[in-house]
Amino acid sequence: EIELTQSPATLSLSPGERATLSCRASQSVGTYLAWYQQTPGQGPRLLIYDASNRATGIPARFSGSGSGTDFTLTISSLEPEDFAVYYCQQRSNWVTFGGGTKVEIK
Amino acid sequence: QITLKESGPTLVKPTETLTLTCTFSGFSLTSRPVGVGWIRQSPGEALEWLGFAYWDDDNRYSPSLKSRLTLTKDTSKNQVVLKMTNMDPVDTATYYCAHRLPYNGDWNSGYFDYWGQGALVTVSS
Repeated sequence: EIELTQSPATLSLSPGERATLSCRASQSVGTYLAWYQQTPGQGPRLLIYDASNRATGIPARFSGSGSGTDFTLTISSLEPEDFAVYYCQQRSNWVTFGGGTKVEIK
Repeated sequence: QITLKESGPTLVKPTETLTLTCTFSGFSLTSRPVGVGWIRQSPGEALEWLGFAYWDDDNRYSPSLKSRLTLTKDTSKNQVVLKMTNMDPVDTATYYCAHRLPYNGDWNSGYFDYWGQGALVTVSS
């Protein structure tokens, strides 16, 4: 099973700041990695798939990069609605998710 | 517009079988490469993929849960049913169904572009 490790566990930032989230895989997943956003009481929302492709309707302030074992989700300027938990997910070998990064208001 | 909604019991007893229904709209589970996935999330924990139901009934299951899971579909009702046997308190979780982002190939995996709101299931005597 491919393990995904996300860091940091919590990121404390202010609106307007840049957020950089990391996801590291235990073995190469190529570019078969997605990012999701989850707010309380809701199902996750797909943001990025195949490492760098924005899903339908996702604002341009969200971008993804990386390949192999190291991936990054960047939110260029945090909006109030962006404070949430973010998960990465790989589809290179079955499906696994990372443990999540909580982006909270500083 | 694609929507999905999970329904079923909120409380099951240990050793019982859980049956959850995913009712969807905006797509049909009758043609390639459409699929519906199930994912669960234990309280305060990360997400765990359970399986995929496909248009051709060639369903796929998480290797760790394969012996306990069955997915079936009713295309006339636009539903996918999950059955999980021998429930245990560690299976307490919110169970989600989700639409698999369409692409051909590697049917053991995928991304999820639309999700239901989730159904909280507690396992307790």
